[in-house]
Amino acid sequence: DIQMTQSPSSLSASVGDRVTITCRASQSISSYLNWYQQKPGKAPKLLIYAASSLQSGVPSRFSGSGSGTDFTLTISSLQPEDFATYYCQQSYSTPPVTFGQGTRLEIK
Amino acid sequence: QVQLQESGPGLVKPSQTLSLTCTVSGGSISSGGYYWSWIRQHPGKGLEWIGYIYYSGSTYYNPSLKSRVTISVDTSKNQFSLKLSSVTAADTAVYYCARVVSPAHFDYWGQGTLVTVSS
Repeated sequence: DIQMTQSPSSLSASVGDRVTITCRASQSISSYLNWYQQKPGKAPKLLIYAASSLQSGVPSRFSGSGSGTDFTLTISSLQPEDFATYYCQQSYSTPPVTFGQGTRLEIK
Repeated sequence: QVQLQESGPGLVKPSQTLSLTCTVSGGSISSGGYYWSWIRQHPGKGLEWIGYIYYSGSTYYNPSLKSRVTISVDTSKNQFSLKLSSVTAADTAVYYCARVVSPAHFDYWGQGTLVTVSS
């Protein structure tokens, strides 16, 4: 199975900050990498698919990049509603689908 | 707008079978083009993929759960279902159903349902 490792596990930031979250795959997954946002008590929400494609309706301050084994999710200017947990997920070698362990983004 | 809704018992006894159903509205499972999936999340933990099914009945399961999982589809009711046998406390989790866009990202999710395994 392909293992997905996110860093950091948690971070604190302020409204307006630029934030980057990293996801590393245990082997090359080309661009088959997706990002989700999850708020407490809610289902995950798809933000980015295929490493850099913005899901319909997602604000343009979210962007994704990378290929191979290293990927990043960037939020260009944090908004209050962006404080949540973020997960990466590989869709290159399935089954099984595998997720990263999550990155909790907190208000500083 | 596609919507998914999980339903089923919130409490299951150890060694019994957990059964959940996901009802899809705003789109037809039998129209094809998508897989339909179950994903779970242990309390305070990350996401674990359980498996997915196509309208034809083709299934793919997580190897770690494969011996205990059955996912089925009822196109006449626009529903798909999860059965997880021989449950233990380790199966206590929020269970989500979701639509899968090829190759495998999840664009629509149900709200999730908490299933607790306890006597």
